[in-house]
Amino acid sequence: GAVVSQHPSWVICKSGTSVKIECRSLDFQATTMFWYRQFPKQSLMLMATSNEGSKATYEQGVEKDKFLINHASLTLSTLTVTSAHPEDSSFYICSARPGQGDYGYTFGSGTRLTVV
Amino acid sequence: DQQVKQNSPSLSVQEGRISILNCDYTNSMFDYFLWYKKYPAEGPTFLISISSIKDKNEDGRFTVFLNKSAKHLSLHIVPSQPGDSAVYFCAASRISNTGKLIFGQGTTLQVKP
Repeated sequence: GAVVSQHPSWVICKSGTSVKIECRSLDFQATTMFWYRQFPKQSLMLMATSNEGSKATYEQGVEKDKFLINHASLTLSTLTVTSAHPEDSSFYICSARPGQGDYGYTFGSGTRLTVV
Repeated sequence: DQQVKQNSPSLSVQEGRISILNCDYTNSMFDYFLWYKKYPAEGPTFLISISSIKDKNEDGRFTVFLNKSAKHLSLHIVPSQPGDSAVYFCAASRISNTGKLIFGQGTTLQVKP
């Protein structure tokens, strides 16, 4: 089946530094990937839609300059949290759709970001 | 504006009984609905989905019911097993709108042996 690999699974960084999270579709090409964030005991909130070869589409309230998304190839999207602050600590998850006619979504295993 | 709502934060059932998880939505433009199972610190795992042209979809122990007039869907698990204990999220999508998913808040299901 379709597999989405997300790396790293957890990361601790200092305030003010930047962290990059990778999301790869291992056995299919994904023109569209999605980035979510989940705070403890809350829902998964869509942050942005990542489109291969073009700019990401951000949801309302998500800072584009803080959460940089790059989707340079059909199998890789990256999310960079710039100048991280403790309030950015969260669980970040990516997902991808294997095909246009297939509306099943495959999720990565998530990245736990802790900013100290 | 919470477009997808799961009003029960938790549910506890006995092994072998039926588990019913509920989900309501407000956006009548949603035309595809999904249920996911999630463990802490892991990504969601797809369980079952239903298109708005149907009112029921069944896959093994899992059945999803959709009531469009009430903007309500439910997931039935029967019989429930201890391994079903997890957080269950319903999600909705407009296929024509990039297909992005809007999630409910989740319901924690505990199945007691």
